[in-house]
Amino acid sequence: AQTVTQSQPEMSVQEAETVTLSCTYDTSESDYYLFWYKQPPSRQMILVIRQEAYKQQNATENRFSVNFQKAAKSFSLKISDSQLGDAAMYFCAYRRRTYKYIFGTGTRLKVLA
Amino acid sequence: ETGVTQSPTHLIKTRGQQVTLRCSSQSGHNTVSWYQQALGQGPQFIFQYYREEENGRGNFPPRFSGLQFPNYSSELNVNALELDDSALYLCASSGGLLGTDTQYFGPGTRLTVL
Repeated sequence: AQTVTQSQPEMSVQEAETVTLSCTYDTSESDYYLFWYKQPPSRQMILVIRQEAYKQQNATENRFSVNFQKAAKSFSLKISDSQLGDAAMYFCAYRRRTYKYIFGTGTRLKVLA
Repeated sequence: ETGVTQSPTHLIKTRGQQVTLRCSSQSGHNTVSWYQQALGQGPQFIFQYYREEENGRGNFPPRFSGLQFPNYSSELNVNALELDDSALYLCASSGGLLGTDTQYFGPGTRLTVL
């Protein structure tokens, strides 16, 4: 069965600095998608970035980028120029071509002014 | 474009009661998934509906059931509520221009079972 592991329950970063959140996953599939979602205290999950496994190029969305290492089954999120509004729970998620998402347990990110 | 909406926002029930949660999918989306998120945990997949048919189910008992309507809105029904059913219930829709691989979440319904 597929699993997603986020080994950092909590991370802190100074405003304007860079932070990297870790995620590893286990699967025997070759075609799948990976996602990072942000869940602020208001609780609505917001898509941050997604990566298709068949693409070697790492996805980037403004200040957010990923380091996707398919062989190592690693999918880390880098947040550059951190802002106070980035404070939230961040969930890594895996999805096969169809069917359900599998989420990690989350990393709480604190941004220090 | 209207996002995913859920109702009610909060709900308090007692053990043994039944509850219905509602979700309106994002415009253009035909797939709805439901998740249970216990406090401090990641969301756990309950089931998915595609064009009014159940399209996959997670490890939840049959007292968790659902419906999807012709307008692709959806309901989650939970019978014989237990204390452990207390959680945030998230609905997510997909199937728009990006295809079925990206889900967009609603704000959730917080269910408390006393």
